[in-house]
Amino acid sequence: AQSVTQLDSQVPVFEEAPVELRCNYSSSVSVYLFWYVQYPNQGLQLLLKYLSGSTLVKGINGFEAEFNKSQTSFHLRKPSVHISDTAEYFCAVSDPLGSSASKIIFGSGTRLSIRP
Amino acid sequence: DGGITQSPKYLFRKEGQNVTLSCEQNLNHDAMYWYRQDPGQGLRLIYYSQIVNDFQKGDIAEGYSVSREKKESFPLTVTSAQKNPTAFYLCASSMRDRAYEQYFGPGTRLTVT
Repeated sequence: AQSVTQLDSQVPVFEEAPVELRCNYSSSVSVYLFWYVQYPNQGLQLLLKYLSGSTLVKGINGFEAEFNKSQTSFHLRKPSVHISDTAEYFCAVSDPLGSSASKIIFGSGTRLSIRP
Repeated sequence: DGGITQSPKYLFRKEGQNVTLSCEQNLNHDAMYWYRQDPGQGLRLIYYSQIVNDFQKGDIAEGYSVSREKKESFPLTVTSAQKNPTAFYLCASSMRDRAYEQYFGPGTRLTVT
């Protein structure tokens, strides 16, 4: 079964500094990967997704992620964060060839806090 | 505007009572999902439905029930058998063949005392 590990439960950074949120997944022949953002007391919003093709994926709000098959990682990056990026970020994986393509497996989340 | 609505945003119940959480979507999506979110645990799948009048158990279905009588609606009932019902509940929907791209509602925070 697929699994996702987010290595940091909390990441504090200063405004305008770069940030990387780490995500590793269990190996599989094929995999779809996602990053979602959740602002306080709201639902989840899709930031970006990797289905196939280029390993560097660009998303909304200036975020990007790189799919690294050899390291089974999908780290999220932003070169300069803003106060409005304060939120919880979830990495997720789906196995398109699995017994149930309806299931997305979510990581435990990383809380990003931006300091002025 | 198309989207998913969940009501109410906050819900309080006494222990031993069943409670039903509403989820409605106007995205014309075939598939709908219910997740439970607890601090530090991410999202866990409770039930999902790929088509009207059909649904499947997710990873933590015990103590919950659902129905899918209409394409637009997928209500979740938290029964008195659910041992730890206090949580944030999220509903999502997707196109049937794009289950990897789910759209989420704003959530309902249920507190049971």
